[in-house]
Amino acid sequence: QKEVEQDPGPLSVPEGAIVSLNCTYSNSAFQYFMWYRQYSRKGPELLMYTYSSGNKEDGRFTAQVDKSSKYISLFIRDSQPSDSATYLCAMRGALMEYGNKLVFGAGTILRVKS
Amino acid sequence: DVKVTQSSRYLVKRTGEKVFLECVQDMDHENMFWYRQDPGLGLRLIYFSYDVKMKEKGDIPEGYSVSREKKERFSLILESASTNQTSMYLCASSLGGNQPQHFGDGTRLSIL
Repeated sequence: QKEVEQDPGPLSVPEGAIVSLNCTYSNSAFQYFMWYRQYSRKGPELLMYTYSSGNKEDGRFTAQVDKSSKYISLFIRDSQPSDSATYLCAMRGALMEYGNKLVFGAGTILRVKS
Repeated sequence: DVKVTQSSRYLVKRTGEKVFLECVQDMDHENMFWYRQDPGLGLRLIYFSYDVKMKEKGDIPEGYSVSREKKERFSLILESASTNQTSMYLCASSLGGNQPQHFGDGTRLSIL
């Protein structure tokens, strides 16, 4: 079983829809959670970075962490065709124990249709 | 903005060749990383470095080595390229502490 599970999709939605992207994980020691967006033939770009549980909002994007359920989500409001990309979740434990080593999900392909 | 630059976007090499992939960051970051990305497998860590001349193995170091002679530059070396090393290679850097990693645009390497 993978440490981080992420539905590969593709997820296809109409423009303007609310998108929910999710990851589950098995290691309760994970404390730092990230979402990256990766366009075709480009490197991953950091979207959201959160510590521990709770919500973080940045424009149309909201990251949510539920450590009790070992579940993280990324919500995209008013989705646009330019949001079409692969979304990667990533996470890691405390620096002293795990260093900077990230564990990634396999990525979800999102397609927003105009 | 953080800038991580990988020297080649596309590279084609033959089996048995020694291959060098170069990565440069311009933000004085302490940490640098090399990953490979394959469909269905996500990103897997090959090697990383916390400081000049320092390196540590990641999850899949076999068949690879690295060099970090200067803080801003981190090189990945395929000692004797094999077809199963055909992949997208991504370099990343981070400031240190709990700061996130920032990625370059990758090198798509084909070994024939």
